[in-house]
Amino acid sequence: AQSVTQLDSHVSVSEGTPVLLRCNYSSSYSPSLFWYVQHPNKGLQLLLKYTSAATLVKGINGFEAEFKKSETSFHLTKPSAHMSDAAEYFCVVSENNRGGTSYGKLTFGQGTILTVHP
Amino acid sequence: NAGVMQNPRHLVRRRGQEARLRCSPMKGHSHVYWYRQLPEEGLKFMVYLQKENIIDESGMPKERFSAEFPKEGPSILRIQQVVRGDSAAYFCASSPRNPLIQETQYFGPGTRLLVL
Repeated sequence: AQSVTQLDSHVSVSEGTPVLLRCNYSSSYSPSLFWYVQHPNKGLQLLLKYTSAATLVKGINGFEAEFKKSETSFHLTKPSAHMSDAAEYFCVVSENNRGGTSYGKLTFGQGTILTVHP
Repeated sequence: NAGVMQNPRHLVRRRGQEARLRCSPMKGHSHVYWYRQLPEEGLKFMVYLQKENIIDESGMPKERFSAEFPKEGPSILRIQQVVRGDSAAYFCASSPRNPLIQETQYFGPGTRLLVL
């Protein structure tokens, strides 16, 4: 069975400073990992995904995440926060079978609310 | 290329009524997933459907909830005899389900159900 733990429910940063949102996962086989962002009362937008290629994944809006198998982590970072980054961020895992095919269902972390101060 | 469409965006029902939530996947996508987001929580998987088939319903409550994805038309999530605890945002996602690649699920804007 797979699970996701987002280590911080709230993160607050100043505009222009780095962002770090932490995520640990557990999975039986090689998982696919995603970060989604949700702005208030909106749907979810995919930021980036890891699918067993390069361990450092670059996404949209300057975000990136590094897959570290030894630490079972997939932390999301951005060098410089912008006011428009304020939103809720979800770390998500999709478990794959031995052949690397997804079972389909996604397991979401509890979410991290990012606040950006001017 | 339109994204995943959900309607209605907001739905108000009184206790005991039925709620029908509709989802049209992205063009070319034949797999649909439903998730529920309770207040202050992350999304929880409910059901995964392919056209005319339920693939995985392990997240569906045993009673009052059902889902379908007919050959023609949108996927429907149906909640009978709604209770206040059903108040939540219900999100639909779709994917093309190409077995050779790692799938990305694309999400709709959600339907926010309020039960009075």
